[in-house]
Amino acid sequence: GDSVTQMEGPVTLSEEAFLTINCTYTATGYPSLFWYVQYPGEGLQLLLKATKADDKGSNKGFEATYRKETTSFHLEKGSVQVSDSAVYFCALNKDAGGTSYGKLTFGQGTILTVHP
Amino acid sequence: EAGVAQSPRYKIIEKRQSVAFWCNPISGHATLYWYQQILGQGPKLLIQFQNNGVVDDSQLPKDRFSAERLKGVDSTLKIQPAKLEDSAVYLCASSDRDSSYNEQFFGPGTRLTVL
Repeated sequence: GDSVTQMEGPVTLSEEAFLTINCTYTATGYPSLFWYVQYPGEGLQLLLKATKADDKGSNKGFEATYRKETTSFHLEKGSVQVSDSAVYFCALNKDAGGTSYGKLTFGQGTILTVHP
Repeated sequence: EAGVAQSPRYKIIEKRQSVAFWCNPISGHATLYWYQQILGQGPKLLIQFQNNGVVDDSQLPKDRFSAERLKGVDSTLKIQPAKLEDSAVYLCASSDRDSSYNEQFFGPGTRLTVL
């Protein structure tokens, strides 16, 4: 079945450091890929998305590129801030854009803590 | 635009008791999802509704869990009887049928503790 694997956490960085959170997936067909973020005490929010190979999703300084050849969707940010401290989830949806509006399959989440 | 509403936010019960969660999706969203998020794991889909009908409930433990979505709007998820392993955050999400990316909008969740 479909699955998403994220790098082991937690990740602790100093402010202005470079961030990479690795995400790889296993799926048949052509999934859409997402990064969701969960700030402390809040619900999951969509951070960025990409729906086909080589697409780059970006938002709030975060970027991720859909790499079909390596089945990856790594999250990057050039300079993190304390306010970026949160849990980040990589997810895929195989039926996005189709008629069945299928479920999201999530990775296990990566806790990011940014210190001043 | 109001977001997805859930209640209660927190619930503590003893094993073998019953509990119910409520969700009100974003107005006009035809698709509603219930996810279970166990501590340290990503959310796992329990059930998906399209309007009133169930699209996917393959991961729902039907011997103890039930869900309904009357009139294609609000939804309730019930656990009866609860087990210790049901301790988790229960997330409700909704999406617009016309969204080409099937973006799902999540509520704040209900944190259930079973003692």
